Amino acid sequence: EAQVTQNPRYLITVTGKKLTVTCSQNMNHEYMSWYRQDPGLGLRQIYYSMNVEVTDKGDVPEGYKVSRKEKRNFPLILESPSPNQTSLYFCASSVSGTETQYFGPGTRLLVL
Amino acid sequence: AQSVTQLDSQVPVFEEAPVELRCNYSSSVSVYLFWYVQYPNQGLQLLLKYLSGSTLVKGINGFEAEFNKSQTSFHLRKPSVHISDTAEYFCAVSLTNDYKLSFGAGTTVTVRA
Repeated sequence: EAQVTQNPRYLITVTGKKLTVTCSQNMNHEYMSWYRQDPGLGLRQIYYSMNVEVTDKGDVPEGYKVSRKEKRNFPLILESPSPNQTSLYFCASSVSGTETQYFGPGTRLLVL
Repeated sequence: AQSVTQLDSQVPVFEEAPVELRCNYSSSVSVYLFWYVQYPNQGLQLLLKYLSGSTLVKGINGFEAEFNKSQTSFHLRKPSVHISDTAEYFCAVSLTNDYKLSFGAGTTVTVRA
């Protein structure tokens, strides 16, 4: 089944404790992206990647890192999480940046 | 940079009534336009998209949208809604020469019997 998977689905952590949210797709898509969703703000793009080793900032990259060492994986790294990063995070992939994006189920993060 | 404004944050509607969700964008260059739907506790899925060609775009579940370049709008319509259309709807835009995707704040549609 074609899908985008994210892990973990739910995470509670404390300020400053490094964490990684994994994202994997099995559709051989070149484009992958991370978004955060906050009430009243819609989805805001954090980072995106056009292909392996090619990443670029979205609208809200501060406090996040990404890497794209393999085509199927695009982990999101929070080196020192803060409470304002409490949010619902979505990973998405597509054949190219202009095509339909397929979204993962979301990761709900709470930073205390 | 592009931006998207969804003019209604909440739209209550009765079952079998028509619905229109308004979306305006700002960009000085050509854009691609999308509507996504998010059902409760789920991820987003594509309803329809405009890349080029006919300005009237038909999508899944009976939805359609019209691209109006002069008014920089991409309003979503459905002639008769069902209870199952209760969801949050997002308009999104990307530039044709870029791959950043900007979403609107979303419109919550609540369909009542």
